[in-house]
Formats: sequence, C-alpha cells, structure tokens
Amino acid sequence: GQNIDQPTEMTATEGAIVQINCTYQTSGFNGLFWYQQHAGEAPTFLFYNVLDGLEEKGRFSSFLSRSKGYSYLLLKELQMKDSASYLCAVSASGGSYIPTFGRGTSLIVHP
Amino acid sequence: NAGVTQTPKFRILKIGQSMTLQCAQDMNHNYMYWYRQDPGMGLKLIYYSVGAGITDKGEVPNGYNVSRSTTEDFPLRLELAAPSQTSVYFCASSYGTSGAYNEQFFGPGTRLTVL
Repeated sequence: GQNIDQPTEMTATEGAIVQINCTYQTSGFNGLFWYQQHAGEAPTFLFYNVLDGLEEKGRFSSFLSRSKGYSYLLLKELQMKDSASYLCAVSASGGSYIPTFGRGTSLIVHP
Repeated sequence: NAGVTQTPKFRILKIGQSMTLQCAQDMNHNYMYWYRQDPGMGLKLIYYSVGAGITDKGEVPNGYNVSRSTTEDFPLRLELAAPSQTSVYFCASSYGTSGAYNEQFFGPGTRLTVL
C-alpha cells in the first residue's frame, strides 16, 4: 500500500508565501500530482511531477525529491481566492498506477 | 466539450432505497473512476474502469456496483442505501495511467445524504 501524509490545515496572510508539504512511502513510484479543490467544488489539476526538481506555473510551483519521498507545493503572493484544499496524490505500480490521494491540506488565507 | 458531467447534484435517500448516480465524459478517455469524499478523509476510490466492459474494485467497493457499457458512461449503483454512504461522490476520467496521461478530470460531484 501507500502512505501519504500532508498537514490537515494551514493558515497564511494575503500576500505571503506558504509551503504545503507532502511525504509519501511507496514502491514503484510513477509520479505525484497536486490538485486544488475549492469548497463545494471538484478537484482541479495543478501539477504533475515525476522527476526530481521544481515545476513552476505563475505564482505556484511544486518540488519533488524521489529519494526522500517528499514533495511540496509553494504558493507565492497569496490571494484570498487561494483559500482551498490542496490534495497530494501518488501514482505507483502497486496501485495499478491509479493515484492514491492524501487527506488534503485546507489552506485558509486571511487579510 | 462538457468534460465530465454528473447527475444528480444532490439527493436524499431513505435507508434501504436504491439509486444510480450517472456519470458521462466526452473526452474519449479510456479510464473512469468513482470516488467518495468524506470530511477530512480525502478521496477514496470505489470502482474504476479501464475501458468499455471492464471494471474493477477500488479501496472501498462494498455497497456499490458499476457498469461500463460505453466509453462515455460509467454509472454507480447503490442497492441498499445505508447512512454510512452519506458522502460526496465524484466521478473522474483520464486518458490513461501512464505518466501525465494519469491527470484526472473530475465531475462536479453528487452530494448524497442517507437518512
């Protein structure tokens, strides 16, 4: 099986930077996904990481270290609309490559 | 493209009733999935399908059934509703499970309450 761990809740101030960590234990690693889910809505895709390093899209970036079983999602210049849950999901051969989701991190951005 | 659509958006069932949650996608994706999401528990895989006529159990299949007669449709059946099935149900699809093809597209969800 897979074990995926991320913090339950984080709070941050508008304009600040926040880092959401995700650690995982798995065999046959095939990639890691980050999704954003606003309250009452469906998850939407943010990032896919399969190689070590950093991916950037605008104010958001994601980092992966396969040797450490570790990823983080970095959000810069936080805006109120970034308040959402952020889901980390890991794909591995043990699960037929279907991503297994962590419990998600609820991010609250306050003025 | 409509993407992934689900009906109904909301439903209240009595214990022991049955219902079918509908899901359709127009992206010609091979893979389709059903998840349930309980507060603070993330997404749990109920069933998935790798193509028409092929389905398999996920992590929490008990109390549910699925079928996949076409590429587009993947309905989820609850035969004897129980309060433990109160949840938000998401249908999703992906082109495949290799690399970036594993990106999942989600429907808007069905909020089900069993009383």
